[in-house]
Amino acid sequence: AQKVTQAQTEISVVEKEDVTLDCVYETRDTTYYLFWYKQPPSGELVFLIRRNSFDEQNEISGRYSWNFQKSTSSFNFTITASQVVDSAVYFCALSEVSTEMDSSYKLIFGSGTRLLVRP
Amino acid sequence: KAGVTQTPRYLIKTRGQQVTLSCSPISGHRSVSWYQQTPGQGLQFLFEYFSETQRNKGNFPGRFSGRQFSNSRSEMNVSTLELGDSALYLCASSFKAVASAGELFFGEGSRLTVL
Repeated sequence: AQKVTQAQTEISVVEKEDVTLDCVYETRDTTYYLFWYKQPPSGELVFLIRRNSFDEQNEISGRYSWNFQKSTSSFNFTITASQVVDSAVYFCALSEVSTEMDSSYKLIFGSGTRLLVRP
Repeated sequence: KAGVTQTPRYLIKTRGQQVTLSCSPISGHRSVSWYQQTPGQGLQFLFEYFSETQRNKGNFPGRFSGRQFSNSRSEMNVSTLELGDSALYLCASSFKAVASAGELFFGEGSRLTVL
């Protein structure tokens, strides 16, 4: 069965520290997508990144970087020089494609990691 | 470009009542998905609609239903509300219609409290 594990329930750092959020996934699919979303107090999930299973190249976007390793089924997210505005709940998710419903898929979310960045 | 709009943002119901939540996707998006978020179960998939057809459904009882209109707007309905239905209900829209797992754009959600 598809599963996403975010073992870190809550992380607290001081501003300007680097922080890594861990994500481990389980899937039998050979083709799949991994996502990271940010959920600020307003509630909406903000898309951060999508990575397909064939692209293991790490990605950097400003202070954000992602490390995808198929060998360990991990897709970790690092924030460099954290800021107070980074405080939020971060979710890792895995796509599950329906084999019965035409072209439909759903996201399997991890339980989320609450990040608190203190000034 | 307007984002995903969900109404109402907050509502309070009592057990046994029914509720209808509305979602207007981003213009041009034809796929609408619904997710339930609770402290205990986290984010769970409810269903997905594309071109007025339900293409996928999560493991929820029949009390949870939905539909999509020709303009892609979607509604979900929960009948005979139970205390455990208290949750944040999130709607997401996507442009991609094929199984390439396109980016989902989420609304701010409808927070339902059942008393």
